[in-house]
Amino acid sequence: DVKVTQSSRYLVKRTGEKVFLECVQDMDHENMFWYRQDPGLGLRLIYFSYDVKMKEKGDIPEGYSVSREKKERFSLILESASTNQTSMYLCASSLVGGGYTFGSGTRLTVV
Amino acid sequence: EDQVTQSPEALRLQEGESSSLNCSYTVSGLRGLFWYRQDPGKGPEFLFTLYSAGEEKEKERLKATLTKKESFLHITAPKPEDSATYLCAVQEGWTTDSWGKLQFGAGTQVVVTP
Repeated sequence: DVKVTQSSRYLVKRTGEKVFLECVQDMDHENMFWYRQDPGLGLRLIYFSYDVKMKEKGDIPEGYSVSREKKERFSLILESASTNQTSMYLCASSLVGGGYTFGSGTRLTVV
Repeated sequence: EDQVTQSPEALRLQEGESSSLNCSYTVSGLRGLFWYRQDPGKGPEFLFTLYSAGEEKEKERLKATLTKKESFLHITAPKPEDSATYLCAVQEGWTTDSWGKLQFGAGTQVVVTP
């Protein structure tokens, strides 16, 4: 069964901490995506990557960065966590031009 | 400008009461329209992909249809386990700007009561 695995289901971090969210896919997909999902705001794209070491900003990249050193792994980095980054974070992957497979999500709380 | 609009925002159904969800889109050159189901606290789960007007897909009590401007997700004789948020997403024709990204609607939250 194909999978997108997010390293943590729940995280609690303090304001100002550097936070790493990890995502791994086993489908040899070219594209990988990071979204956040908040009540009433739907899915909002933070960053995506269409190839190793390549990245493109999404709709809300401020306060975030990403890293894709290997095809199967896409990391989201919160440089200095703030309370307004408390959210559900979803990773997805896809073939070029294909639909997405999502991970189970990471619920991040910044206190 | 919203490219994908879902209605209604929320839908409460009695078990067995069939209904339809709507997804209207304004993108030009549609490559594909996707339906996902999302349970609380979990990631979206793929249901269907539709590629051309007139196409239909079915899975258990769910049936998705596509026209040139909208898609419908019909829920026939729903059960409580069909309670979830249903998301639709559209993919435009391929460009180096879009990279085949999906544009998601805000979703319809469906609650089915016994």
